[in-house]
Amino acid sequence: GDSVTQMEGPVTLSEEAFLTINCTYTATGYPSLFWYVQYPGEGLQLLLKATKADDKGSNKGFEATYRKETTSFHLEKGSVQVSDSAVYFCAPPLSGNQFYFGTGTSLTVIP
Amino acid sequence: DTGVSQDPRHKITKRGQNVTFRCDPISEHNRLYWYRQTLGQGPEFLTYFQNEAQLEKSRLLSDRFSAERPKGSFSTLEIQRTEQGDSAMYLCASSLVGSFDEQFFGPGTRLTVL
Repeated sequence: GDSVTQMEGPVTLSEEAFLTINCTYTATGYPSLFWYVQYPGEGLQLLLKATKADDKGSNKGFEATYRKETTSFHLEKGSVQVSDSAVYFCAPPLSGNQFYFGTGTSLTVIP
Repeated sequence: DTGVSQDPRHKITKRGQNVTFRCDPISEHNRLYWYRQTLGQGPEFLTYFQNEAQLEKSRLLSDRFSAERPKGSFSTLEIQRTEQGDSAMYLCASSLVGSFDEQFFGPGTRLTVL
């Protein structure tokens, strides 16, 4: 069935460092892909999405490109801030009714 | 619309008691999902509805759990004979079929079973 594999954390970076969180997926067809973020003490919220191959989703300085050839959707940010400290989830393709968020990647940014 | 709402936000109960949670999705959303999240883990899928039909239920879900969405709007999740292992955050999300299946999450109901 459809699934995602996400880089495990935790990840600790200094402020202004470059961030990459890897995510690869297996899916039948070409589903939409999502990154969700959960800030401390809060619920999940959508960070960005891409709805077709080669699409780039972006929000709050984060980017992810839907790479069909490598089946990847890696999350990147050029310069992280302390306020980016959160848990990031590469959300599963929703085709085939498979719903699995995994453990996410915890990011801590230190000043 | 202010988004997905859940009630109550917190529930403390004694082992063996029944509890019921309510989720109100975004009004035009026809899909509704329930997840459970424990500390340090991602959301674990429990079940989902399309309109009033329950289309899928996790194979790992105990028979003590039941969910309904009688009119295709709000949903309830009931846990019977609660156990300490049921302590978790219960999350509800909704989406609109055909809108790239983006899920909007509610704030969750935190259950503590003593």
